[in-house]
Parts: sequence; C-alpha cells; structure tokens
Amino acid sequence: AQKVTQAQTEISVVEKEDVTLDCVYETRDTTYYLFWYKQPPSGELVFLIRRNSFDEQNEISGRYSWNFQKSTSSFNFTITASQVVDSAVYFCALSYAGNNRKLIWGLGTSLAVNP
Amino acid sequence: NAGVMQNPRHLVRRRGQEARLRCSPMKGHSHVYWYRQLPEEGLKFMVYLQKENIIDESGMPKERFSAEFPKEGPSILRIQQVVRGDSAAYFCASSPPNRGAETQYFGPGTRLLVL
Repeated sequence: AQKVTQAQTEISVVEKEDVTLDCVYETRDTTYYLFWYKQPPSGELVFLIRRNSFDEQNEISGRYSWNFQKSTSSFNFTITASQVVDSAVYFCALSYAGNNRKLIWGLGTSLAVNP
Repeated sequence: NAGVMQNPRHLVRRRGQEARLRCSPMKGHSHVYWYRQLPEEGLKFMVYLQKENIIDESGMPKERFSAEFPKEGPSILRIQQVVRGDSAAYFCASSPPNRGAETQYFGPGTRLLVL
C-alpha cells in the first residue's frame, strides 16, 4: 500500500527564516511520482513540483528547493528566506506511474510566516 | 489557455437534496480526477474518469455518489440525498492523455455546505 506522512502539522516561523517541510512516503512500486502542492488561504491547490522516482537530483526554484532521497524515502521541501506570502498549507503527494495516476496525499503542513 | 474550471464555487444544500458539481478540464485534457477534502482528514481520491469511462471509483462511497464524464460537456459529480457529513471541499483535477499525464492541475474547488 502507498502512504505519505507529513509529521509536522503546523509550523510557525518569522519572516526571512528558512523552513523545511518533511515528507516521508511508502510504496512498493519501483516507479512512482512525488509532488508538492500549495494551498493558500484562498483555498485553491497550486502545483509546485513533480519528481520521478528515477531522478534523485535535487531541484531549486528561486527560494524553493527540494531534497529527494530514495534511501530514506523522503522528499523534503525547503523555503529559504520565508515571506508572509508563503503562509499556506503544503501537501506532499505520491502517485503510481501506470495509467491510473491518482494521488495519495499527506495530511499537509500548515505554515505560518509571521512578519 | 484557461485552467480547470469548477462550478459552483460554493453550494449550500439542505439534507436530502441533490448536489451537482461540475468540472471542465483544461483544453486538451481528457483525464479527470475528483478529490474530497474533509476537515481534519485531508485530501482523498474519489474517482478517476476518462471520456465516457469510469476508470477507478474505488474512493467513492457506494451509496448516493456518482460521477460521469460525457463525450461532450463537463464532468459531473452527483451527490444524492446529501447529509451533513458530505460537507467538504470537492476538487477536480485534469491531465492530458499522454505527454505530461503525470501532473494533475486542479480547479478552484467547490465548497459544499449541507444544512
């Protein structure tokens, strides 16, 4: 069975601090995809990144970076120099690589960035 | 290129009424997924459809819930005889049939409130 665990329910930081959101997953598949989505207070779900299980290269996009480690089944997300606009709930998700790409979700981490 | 459209954005129903939620996928996308976000429970997969076919409905309650994605027109998630426990945010996501199918793009969601 597939499972995604986001152990941090809520995180509160002060603006400009760095913050890392943890994600640990379980799967028996050798090929799969990992995702991060952002849900701001307005409620929509915004796609941030997709990572293929064969690609362990870390990725950086502006202030965002992702660390994928298959050895520990983790796909952590770091925000550098956080800003108030980063306040949101962040979800990690996992999908099969076959025809059915339904997402298995973590419970989310609520990030509050305070001025 | 318009994103995934969902309507209505907010829907209020009394117990026993029917709720119809609509989802228009992005242009060129023929795969639709429905998810439900219940308070304190996170996001859960409900159903995966392709044009005129239900591929996976394993996450959908057996009673009162149905979904369709006709050849023409939007995908519809229908809830009959709603109960208070159906109050949730319902998200639709779409993906293309081939290249890029790994990533799902979400609509703004429909917030259903059952009185």
